[in-house]
Amino acid sequence: TQLLEQSPQFLSIQEGENLTVYCNSSSVFSSLQWYRQEPGEGPVLLVTVVTGGEVKKLKRLTFQFGDARKDSSLHITAAQPGDTGLYLCAGEGGAQKLVFGQGTRLTINP
Amino acid sequence: GAVVSQHPSRVICKSGTSVKIECRSLDFQATTMFWYRQFPKKSLMLMATSNEGSKATYEQGVEKDKFLINHASLTLSTLTVTSAHPEDSSFYICSADRAVGKTQYFGPGTRLLVL
Repeated sequence: TQLLEQSPQFLSIQEGENLTVYCNSSSVFSSLQWYRQEPGEGPVLLVTVVTGGEVKKLKRLTFQFGDARKDSSLHITAAQPGDTGLYLCAGEGGAQKLVFGQGTRLTINP
Repeated sequence: GAVVSQHPSRVICKSGTSVKIECRSLDFQATTMFWYRQFPKKSLMLMATSNEGSKATYEQGVEKDKFLINHASLTLSTLTVTSAHPEDSSFYICSADRAVGKTQYFGPGTRLLVL
């Protein structure tokens, strides 16, 4: 069974600080996706990483896929209150299924 | 961008009734759609894979007679919660697999409350 361990599960920091969320597995994934979810809404895709070692940037968000394609990280620079939400990593398992991490509930305090 | 809609967005029903939730891909065709359940402050749990023109594939522990899935067209999948009970109350989310880019796009979710 493929599992994704996401950490931390909860994070509360002040506006302007930097943070990193980790997504780790013992399994290899062909691709990994990061989503952000607001309360009462569905997840919204932020990025898909496919190649080992790949780094993608989305404004203040930097996503990295591990060389072995078993882990990934999301780094946010100068966090803002608008970044508050549930961040989910998901790896593509077999049969097109997504395996989700437990999620990281991020709160940015003004 | 790819858009997936769900209807209704929220529903309240009495115990014992059945509730149907629709998932539509609005601007692309999806041969495969997925149904998830999400408990408060938890991650998404895959319930089943909906395949257009064939039977759905259910995850272990999910009752197929309880959660009926129909994928009648390339843009529509439905989930029917039969004989709903309070423990079925949850947030149900669907996603549609867009072949290009191998990306799943999620609907906005349906909040079900069974009284």
